[in-house]
Amino acid sequence: RKEVEQDPGPFNVPEGATVAFNCTYSNSASQSFFWYRQDCRKEPKLLMSVYSSGNEDGRFTAQLNRASQYISLLIRDSKLSDSATYLCAVNRKSSGYALNFGKGTSLLVTP
Amino acid sequence: GAGVSQSPRYKVAKRGQDVALRCDPISGHVSLFWYQQALGQGPEFLTYFQNEAQLDKSGLPSDRFFAERPEGSVSTLKIQRTQQEDSAVYLCASSPGLDEQYFGPGTRLTVT
Repeated sequence: RKEVEQDPGPFNVPEGATVAFNCTYSNSASQSFFWYRQDCRKEPKLLMSVYSSGNEDGRFTAQLNRASQYISLLIRDSKLSDSATYLCAVNRKSSGYALNFGKGTSLLVTP
Repeated sequence: GAGVSQSPRYKVAKRGQDVALRCDPISGHVSLFWYQQALGQGPEFLTYFQNEAQLDKSGLPSDRFFAERPEGSVSTLKIQRTQQEDSAVYLCASSPGLDEQYFGPGTRLTVT
């Protein structure tokens, strides 16, 4: 079993829709959680860190559920420019700050 | 400010050749990471430096892979006797030492 798992999608949604992605992780000792966005043939870019109490940044909301070992990302009022792959990342047990990534979830927002 | 830079951006190597990939982290960032990303996959951890110390190299897939960061700034990932399965994008990330990592554009390696 991979340490971080995501539904690969693709998620096809119309503009203005709300879409949610989940990610599960296996290491209960993990302390740091992130969502990255990756456009085609580009590097991952940090979208947001995920805090225990949940956090929001504009149209994006991230939640952490430690008991069930999953994190989520909610995108409200989807824009065409939100089309990308969303990568969930969790810190590795053995390497402090190094990250384990999921395979990514592909989102396509259509007009 | 300047982000993480990597060179070359693209590299084509014949099987059996050695390659060297360079990473210039964000100035002042203590931590540096190398990841390998195959097509359709998330980045996979290779190795981690804190300043010049290589604290974890458990992700390096074989002893053909070697990384260094001799002065605690620029880092080089070297792959000896490249194989076709080494074809991937090699990503470098740096961090000020806390959690958030910032990625460079990557080097796309194709082994023919």
